[in-house]
Parts: sequence; C-alpha cells; structure tokens
Amino acid sequence: GNSVTQMEGPVTLSEEAFLTINCTYTATGYPSLFWYVQYPGEGLQLLLKATKADDKGSNKGFEATYRKETTSFHLEKGSVQVSDSAVYFCALRERSNDYKLSFGAGTTVTVRA
Amino acid sequence: DGGITQSPKYLFRKEGQNVTLSCEQNLNHDAMYWYRQDPGQGLRLIYYSQIVNDFQKGDIAEGYSVSREKKESFPLTVTSAQKNPTAFYLCASSMDTANTEAFFGQGTRLTVV
Repeated sequence: GNSVTQMEGPVTLSEEAFLTINCTYTATGYPSLFWYVQYPGEGLQLLLKATKADDKGSNKGFEATYRKETTSFHLEKGSVQVSDSAVYFCALRERSNDYKLSFGAGTTVTVRA
Repeated sequence: DGGITQSPKYLFRKEGQNVTLSCEQNLNHDAMYWYRQDPGQGLRLIYYSQIVNDFQKGDIAEGYSVSREKKESFPLTVTSAQKNPTAFYLCASSMDTANTEAFFGQGTRLTVV
C-alpha cells in the first residue's frame, strides 16, 4: 500500500534559519506529491505540489523536488520567519481507481524571533 | 467565493449520543473525504466518496457513517459505537484526478463529555 514517512518533530528554529523537512514515500505507481500546511485550529492549506518526477514545486519561499530515484519530496526554505510556525504535512495521491490522499504524520515547526 | 464549509466549528455532546457533522462544498468537486486528526498525530481517513450515492470506508470507519445524496454535501455521523470520538474532524474535496490537490474545510472540534 501507499505510505508517507516524514521526519519527526518538533523542529525549533531561529528566524532566518534554513529549514528542511524530510519526506519519503512508498507507492505502487507514480503518485502526485503535495506539501500542506496547518496553522493552529485550522484546516490544511496546500503549500506546493509536484505531479511528475523531477518537477519542483515552490510557493512562499518553500521548495520541494520530486525525486523518483530516492522516492523523496523534501521541503526546504532558505530563511524562515516567525509566521512559518505551523504543522507541515507531506502527502501523496496515487494514480489509481480511487485517487486517495495518503498523509504523513506531520512535522511541527516553531520559529523563534 | 468557492470553498468548502464545515459546521459547527466546535461541538459538544454527551457520551452515547449520535452527532452529525456538516460538510458542504461549492467547488463542483466529485470526490469528498472525511479525516480524523488527534493531537500530535497525522490525518486518518474515515470515509470517502467519489460520486453521488456511493462511498467507501477508509482506514478507521468503525463507529462512523456517511451519506452522499447530493454532490455538494457529505455529512458525517459519529455514532455511539465510536469508542473515542473526541477529535478534530476535517472534511476535504477534490476533482477526481491524481494531479489535483484536495481542498480542506476549517474543521470541527468534537468533544464528548
């Protein structure tokens, strides 16, 4: 079956630090990959996505590259801000009959001023 | 504005009572999903529906029921058979293709006392 493994948190950083959250996946086919962000008490918002190998998704200074050879989709940001404090979820969507979304466990990121 | 709406945001119920959570979308999406989120944990799929009048069990369907009588609506009933119903419930919808992301509601926090 499909699964997503994220680096465990929590992660605490100082403002302007570099952020990396590792994400690897297991899938039977060629899934689409997503990063979602969740702010306290809210639903999930799409941060970025990539739909095929070597695609790079980017948004709000965040980037992630779809690496088929390593089955990875690591999230990076070069200089974090306090407003980036949130929970980040890696997810995949399989190209199969049901197109279900599978999520990682989430990584809590706290950025301190 | 197009979007997905969950109501209510907070819900309190006595143990042993059934309760129904509302989810409505005006995005003309075919697929709708219900997830459960517990503190510090990822999202677990309860039920999903790819088309009106059809739905499938997710990973933790026991103690829950759903209906999909209209494309726009996918209510979730938490029954008295659910042993630990206190959680944050998230509804999502998407086009039924692998490349597209899911859109999430703001969530309903259910507390059973």
